[in-house]
Amino acid sequence: DGGITQSPKYLFRKEGQNVTLSCEQNLNHDAMYWYRQDPGQGLRLIYYSQIVNDFQKGDIAEGYSVSREKKESFPLTVTSAQKNPTAFYLCASSVLAGDTQYFGPGTRLTVL
Amino acid sequence: SQQGEEDPQALSIQEGENATMNCSYKTSINNLQWYRQNSGRGLVHLILIRSNEREKHSGRLRVTLDTSKKSSSLLITASRAADTASYFCATNSGGSNYKLTFGKGTLLTVNP
Repeated sequence: DGGITQSPKYLFRKEGQNVTLSCEQNLNHDAMYWYRQDPGQGLRLIYYSQIVNDFQKGDIAEGYSVSREKKESFPLTVTSAQKNPTAFYLCASSVLAGDTQYFGPGTRLTVL
Repeated sequence: SQQGEEDPQALSIQEGENATMNCSYKTSINNLQWYRQNSGRGLVHLILIRSNEREKHSGRLRVTLDTSKKSSSLLITASRAADTASYFCATNSGGSNYKLTFGKGTLLTVNP
């Protein structure tokens, strides 16, 4: 099956800890994205990558980091510098930047 | 910052009725997209309308775009209980072509 997978579905973290969220796609898409969604809100762009080994900051990149070493994978690390990390995190991909985006099922992160 | 703003924030209708949701935006766009999100899940792309198009149809969905008023509407005809979800518009403003800017969404409830 083609698609985007995110793991884990639920993640709990203690304050002060870094945590990495996984995003994998087998759609052969060049572009990948990370969004954050808070309750009752739309999506805000954290980071995006148009091609392997390249990525750019979105609107709310502070306290987050990413890598894009493989076309299929775009992991997001939520660092201890992120002041309010509890949220629903969504990964997406598109054939090219600006095209229709296809979303994964999301990871709900809770900081205890 | 939010580009698209959906209206209403919430809409409750009976099965069989039509549902209309509106989206307003502030700057010029290349295209506007509508997405659907079931509670706690990822987003699903519904339809894309380009800035030089005025109307598009897909099954029970009809989308209009009025670039002079910077607004779009999504009409779902003959609604079903399974249409219950949040609906988001997202704008692609072209200059930063990678980026979709999402509104806060309309929560549609279709009562059986």
